[in-house]
Amino acid sequence: NAGVTQTPKFQVLKTGQSMTLQCAQDMNHEYMSWYRQDPGMGLRLIHYSVGAGITDQGEVPNGYNVSRSTTEDFPLRLLSAAPSQTSVYFCASSYSGGAFFGQGTRLTVV
Amino acid sequence: AQSVSQHNHHVILSEAASLELGCNYSYGGTVNLFWYVQYPGQHLQLLLKYFSGDPLVKGIKGFEAEFIKSKFSFNLRKPSVQWSDTAEYFCAVSTLGFQKLVFGTGTRLLVSP
Repeated sequence: NAGVTQTPKFQVLKTGQSMTLQCAQDMNHEYMSWYRQDPGMGLRLIHYSVGAGITDQGEVPNGYNVSRSTTEDFPLRLLSAAPSQTSVYFCASSYSGGAFFGQGTRLTVV
Repeated sequence: AQSVSQHNHHVILSEAASLELGCNYSYGGTVNLFWYVQYPGQHLQLLLKYFSGDPLVKGIKGFEAEFIKSKFSFNLRKPSVQWSDTAEYFCAVSTLGFQKLVFGTGTRLLVSP
């Protein structure tokens, strides 16, 4: 069972570069979300989606873009990376009983 | 908007000690409550959850939590911790019918052998 697959696991970007973090789930969940985890701040919601074609902003959406063309995939795009986006990113796929998380992407912006 | 408070940011215990981690939430309506655990270098995993019914819920690895509605609390407990319980613990809440989770800031637990 794959669950939630996130790639890449590690990434170093230069300021101003763009990139896409991939997230795929095979559980047919409608709800998917992206969080960033920073020391002492817990997990903060970046964007979420309640189904294909529907996305919405979370708590910290600035500098990030998402799309949901299929139920399975929910990529997160960094438009122009900034050092403040250095963080660990988690994708989650949820149903009424809770959420399943991907392994995380450790992103460093230099 | 909902919010979740975890008052203990760092907890250090010896093996076999008892554990209680506090979690309070602010929301006036019906909520679903969760505790997640993150072992070093790993992703979050569900420990236990409360939706309705018996306010004392049991999860994996000997953990339990008690929902006290009047106190807006969902504290996590374990009678006797082990070195392998060293991890970060997150309390989270979602409102009924919604799957958007709001997390607390987490509690880092270090269990010394």
